[in-house]
Amino acid sequence: DVKVTQSSRYLVKRTGEKVFLECVQDMDHENMFWYRQDPGLGLRLIYFSYDVKMKEKGDIPEGYSVSREKKERFSLILESASTNQTSMYLCASSQGGEKLFFGSGTQLSVL
Amino acid sequence: RKEVEQDPGPFNVPEGATVAFNCTYSNSASQSFFWYRQDCRKEPKLLMSVYSSGNEDGRFTAQLNRASQYISLLIRDSKLSDSATYLCVVKVGNTPLVFGKGTRLSVIA
Repeated sequence: DVKVTQSSRYLVKRTGEKVFLECVQDMDHENMFWYRQDPGLGLRLIYFSYDVKMKEKGDIPEGYSVSREKKERFSLILESASTNQTSMYLCASSQGGEKLFFGSGTQLSVL
Repeated sequence: RKEVEQDPGPFNVPEGATVAFNCTYSNSASQSFFWYRQDCRKEPKLLMSVYSSGNEDGRFTAQLNRASQYISLLIRDSKLSDSATYLCVVKVGNTPLVFGKGTRLSVIA
């Protein structure tokens, strides 16, 4: 079974801190995605990558950046965390882009 | 206009009931359609793909109406374990999947 692992289940950070959210998948998938999920707003795509060193902006990239130096790892970076970035962050991977496999999520609180 | 629209619910139904959810999509170029399921405090998981001819998986039936641009999910003989949020998902070309906000189902004993 595909496994998508996110480094932390819960994270508490202070406003202005630089935050790294790590995601690793073990199935050699080409495609990786970062979403955030907020009550009433559903899943919103932040960034995605279809290949190593490649990245594309999603629907809400402002305040975020990503890094994909290796195929299996896709990192989401909050350059200067703000309280409106408090959210559940979900990483996902896929091969053909149709069936997504999600990690179990990181609940980030920015105080 | 939202790309994928769903009634957020909640749908509260008794065990054994039949319940149906609909979803509409705005992009007529959408090619692939899916239902994902998300349990409380868990990640979404693929429930089933939706094919033009309609398809069934046990108690679950999915239908697609391209002319009206809507997708449906029918759950027969509801179980307590069916309680979850059901996400309607569409795909256009090589772009990432587009998720609806989900419909919440609570099956009550």
